[in-house]
Amino acid sequence: EAGVTQFPSHSVIEKGQTVTLRCDPISGHDNLYWYRRVMGKEIKFLLHFVKESKQDESGMPNNRFLAERTGGTYSTLKVQPAELEDSGVYFCASSQLGPRREEQYFGPGTRLTVT
Amino acid sequence: TQLLEQSPQFLSIQEGENLTVYCNSSSVFSSLQWYRQEPGEGPVLLVTVVTGGEVKKLKRLTFQFGDARKDSSLHITAAQPGDTGLYLCAGNWNQGGKLIFGQGTELSVKP
Repeated sequence: EAGVTQFPSHSVIEKGQTVTLRCDPISGHDNLYWYRRVMGKEIKFLLHFVKESKQDESGMPNNRFLAERTGGTYSTLKVQPAELEDSGVYFCASSQLGPRREEQYFGPGTRLTVT
Repeated sequence: TQLLEQSPQFLSIQEGENLTVYCNSSSVFSSLQWYRQEPGEGPVLLVTVVTGGEVKKLKRLTFQFGDARKDSSLHITAAQPGDTGLYLCAGNWNQGGKLIFGQGTELSVKP
């Protein structure tokens, strides 16, 4: 069974540009989460989808961040316009509904560098 | 405010030694997960503990959830160089909800 995949693995962009990150969850996992780790800090929650609906977006830093999950399969996270403080590693995780839904499986992350 | 305090942040030991990593909070969690992360990769789930007082073993790793479900520990017996990595604890208040992460423990086991 394929794990959570993320694309791209690395992205270097200039301040003011736009970047779109993609996450493909484990097949059949209806819960999808985005997290971020900025340098020197702990991993922090951004938002949570249940299928195509946003369940919790309390961690989204501001309106420059837009997450979508059309069709309830893969998800995208767009940053527009990017700022220097957006640099970090963005992780996606997924889990199943029902029993063991607390077990979140993480992708390898996308390392975003804003210069 | 750090909701989940993990200690120590760095640990360097010799092969064969035992070690314990702690995760503490003032909040009650419905479950707590332990992850291990290698450089350039995402966190890999090691174990989930759900019941207060629960103890789970994974080879030389022993995980315990506090009776009040506010703290947890990871004990490694006879550490090996292959145990080197970043260990993360993460808790959630409602199953299926967001995870709150500790700062992580960077473990180095020298041969």
